[in-house]
Amino acid sequence: GAVVSQHPSRVICKSGTSVKIECRSLDFQATTMFWYRQFPKQSLMLMATSNEGSKATYEQGVEKDKFLINHASLTLSTLTVTSAHPEDSSFYICSARDHRADTIYFGEGSWLTVV
Amino acid sequence: GESVGLHLPTLSVQEGDNSIINCAYSNSASDYFIWYKQESGKGPQFIIDIRSNMDKRQGQRVTVLLNKTVKHLSLQIAATQPGDSAVYFCAENIKTSYDKVIFGPGTSLSVIP
Repeated sequence: GAVVSQHPSRVICKSGTSVKIECRSLDFQATTMFWYRQFPKQSLMLMATSNEGSKATYEQGVEKDKFLINHASLTLSTLTVTSAHPEDSSFYICSARDHRADTIYFGEGSWLTVV
Repeated sequence: GESVGLHLPTLSVQEGDNSIINCAYSNSASDYFIWYKQESGKGPQFIIDIRSNMDKRQGQRVTVLLNKTVKHLSLQIAATQPGDSAVYFCAENIKTSYDKVIFGPGTSLSVIP
């Protein structure tokens, strides 16, 4: 079964609104989670590394005020796309590192469509 | 954001043949490498991994080879099956002040029945 759960799997929102995507580790504690973005027929692009209890580390070119990441607990990280625009429409994928098993698990992704 | 390349190469293989998918990585600080399979509309699925202190690792029908000298990684799939059709990504764990996993450009594998 899935060990990393993303919710929602699909979401449609209006331009200018904000939308939150959740990433949960189901049976392990994840001090580190990663958020990726993927456009059709392209690779996964790392947006940011989410660290429990501290600020996320954003990759170059990713607007931290637009893509808000919160990792308030050891099993939950959230990505909020603020003031969404149609160009934010994409597949967003999270992953979580299980330090005990030294393994990284991926969620099933969330499709965001901004209309 | 960071990604190694933005275009998707393709590979077509006859069913039953072996497939070899290649990947070049760029960071000497990478200590861990992973191959993922991604089917349309889904998240990446772990296939096999290898640490930088190894040069070969085998799984069920898959083998990963690592050549640190030329920063090259390959995934070999034996007796390729139609269910192997997917996009395959190599990923590297880069150790800086924090660890992060960066994906390669991916290869689309099509298996011809």
